[in-house]
Amino acid sequence: KNEVEQSPQNLTAQEGEFITINCSYSVGISALHWLQQHPGGGIVSLFMLSSGKKKHGRLIATINIQEKHSSLHITASHPRDSAVYICAVTGNTDKLIFGTGTRLQVFP
Amino acid sequence: NAGVTQTPKFQVLKTGQSMTLQCAQDMNHEYMSWYRQDPGMGLRLIHYSVGAGITDQGEVPNGYNVSRSTTEDFPLRLLSAAPSQTSVYFCASSYSYGGSTEAFFGQGTRLTVV
Repeated sequence: KNEVEQSPQNLTAQEGEFITINCSYSVGISALHWLQQHPGGGIVSLFMLSSGKKKHGRLIATINIQEKHSSLHITASHPRDSAVYICAVTGNTDKLIFGTGTRLQVFP
Repeated sequence: NAGVTQTPKFQVLKTGQSMTLQCAQDMNHEYMSWYRQDPGMGLRLIHYSVGAGITDQGEVPNGYNVSRSTTEDFPLRLLSAAPSQTSVYFCASSYSYGGSTEAFFGQGTRLTVV
């Protein structure tokens, strides 16, 4: 079993829909990261959080430390949100442990 | 600041050839790492370094060498390329503060070994 599990693996949505991507982890962490990877592109950090909730534009990330679970929400989705979203965690060291990613496609 | 600069962006190698993937960061981060990304799998750690002169193996180190002579640079060397090394490679640097770690990634190198 992977230490970081994401669901769903693939997600399609119509423009305007509310999207949720889930991440569960089984190790102790100091922080959880949500990353975005566009097709053929590099990886960009969206959020780093260790508790509570963060919001940036239409993106919201939440984490429940007790349940070892995080969610990434996208409100009013747009085709430009189409990307792979990756959850990763860091423990007591700088090492990142990655989930396998969620491929999101938003259609107009 | 340029962040993490990774070159080349694309490379095709023949089996048995060698090459070096370059990675440089200008943020004075101590921790740098190399990952490979394969379909259906999360990024896997190849090698990492916690500072100049210090390197260590990650999850999938076989077939790769690294060195860290300066804080800025962390090249990844393939000594004798194999088709199994066809992958997308990412370099990252990170720093820790307040118990959390923030990571920055290069643009990736798509490597094909034929």
